[in-house]
Formats: sequence, C-alpha cells, structure tokens
Amino acid sequence: DIVMTQAPLSVSVTPGESASISCRSSKSLLHSNGITYVYWYLQKPGKSPQLLIYRMSNLASGVPDRFSGSGSETDFTLKISRVEAEDVGIYYCGQLLENPLTFGSGTKLEIK
Amino acid sequence: QVKLLQSGAELVKPGASVKLSCKTSGFTFSTSYMSWLKQVPGPSIEWIGWIYAGDGGTNYNQKFKGKATLTVDKSSSTAYMDLSSLTSEDAAVYFCARINNYGFDYWGQGVMVTVSS
Repeated sequence: DIVMTQAPLSVSVTPGESASISCRSSKSLLHSNGITYVYWYLQKPGKSPQLLIYRMSNLASGVPDRFSGSGSETDFTLKISRVEAEDVGIYYCGQLLENPLTFGSGTKLEIK
Repeated sequence: QVKLLQSGAELVKPGASVKLSCKTSGFTFSTSYMSWLKQVPGPSIEWIGWIYAGDGGTNYNQKFKGKATLTVDKSSSTAYMDLSSLTSEDAAVYFCARINNYGFDYWGQGVMVTVSS
C-alpha cells in the first residue's frame, strides 16, 4: 500500500498569515500520463471532508484561490495564503494512483 | 445541486449485519462511480471500495473484502453498503462519496455505526 505521511500534526496560524502543510508518499504518484494523483481535502469540525485540490495543483470548484497545491513525484505541499477563521479543520492528503486508495493521517489547523 | 443523503445512525449488535444507504441527486448516477469510506477517531480515513453504478462493477480494498458489499439501485439513484459480522472494530463513521478523476468530489453527511450488545 502507498503510505501518505503528513506533517506537521497540527499548526496554529494567525489570521491573515500563511500556512503550509506537507505530505509525502511512499511511492511516486506521477503516472505515465503525466498526471500526479495527489489530492487535498479539508474536514471542517462536524462536517464531511471537502475536496480542495485535485491532481496535485488544480483548485476544485468553489474553493478560494487562497489555497494552492504543489509538489514533485513524492513530496507535496498545500499552501493556504491569508488564513481565515473558516479554514479551521483537519487537512488530509490522499492518493488515487493505485488501490487501495489511501490518505494521510491529517493535519489540524487552528487559529491563534 | 448535487446531494448525497445517507441513512441515519445505526446501533447494531456484535455479529449482526447492517445496510447503509446513500441516496443521490443532482448528477447522472448511472454513469458515476460511488465510493464508501470509513473514519475512526484518530482521525483517519480508510477507503473501503467503489462501485460503478452503470454495471455494478466493484473494486474493494483488500482489507474490507468479506466485510463490505457494495450495491446500487439505479432506479432510485441510491448506493448501498452491507457490513457483515460486525465487531467493535467496525464502529466508525461511514461516508459515501462520488469518485472520479477529480477525486472524491461530493460526500454524504456520514453515518455513525455503533456496535454494542
């Protein structure tokens, strides 16, 4: 199975500042078709996860452009610019390259 | 507007089975892939499997083979998951979600399954 390792476990951010969350995969997520199959989700308190970023760097519909994704074949970063109170929750990375589909253990974002 | 509405919380006895439902609307169900996921406090998310609503074809996480069975009813645009021989390890929140190349792009609200005698 592909293991997704996230860091840090939690991050506390002042509103208006930026935050970065890292995710590392145990295997390259770059497919031969040129697509990198890493995704980012946010689970707000008491809610279902919601898709933020697909295929490493593409913003999902309705997601503010304060969110961005980047990375290489095995190392990925979610950046949140100008953090707002509504951004609190647990962020997960996940991979869709191969079965079983797997997720990181999550990074909790809190507001200072 | 896409909606995935899951059935209510379940309290089941050890050894019993439970069938969870996920009624969808707002998209073409018959050409969609539907997935089920498990979340336990920790937190962590595990993918259980997916089913193609068009022909009922399935793909399971090996870990959940024999535990979960995915089915669909195209006439009602509803996805189902049967969980069998429940133990305390199956107590969790279960989500249905639509899956495609864009990821798990729409999720149900989740249903809590409690296993207790």
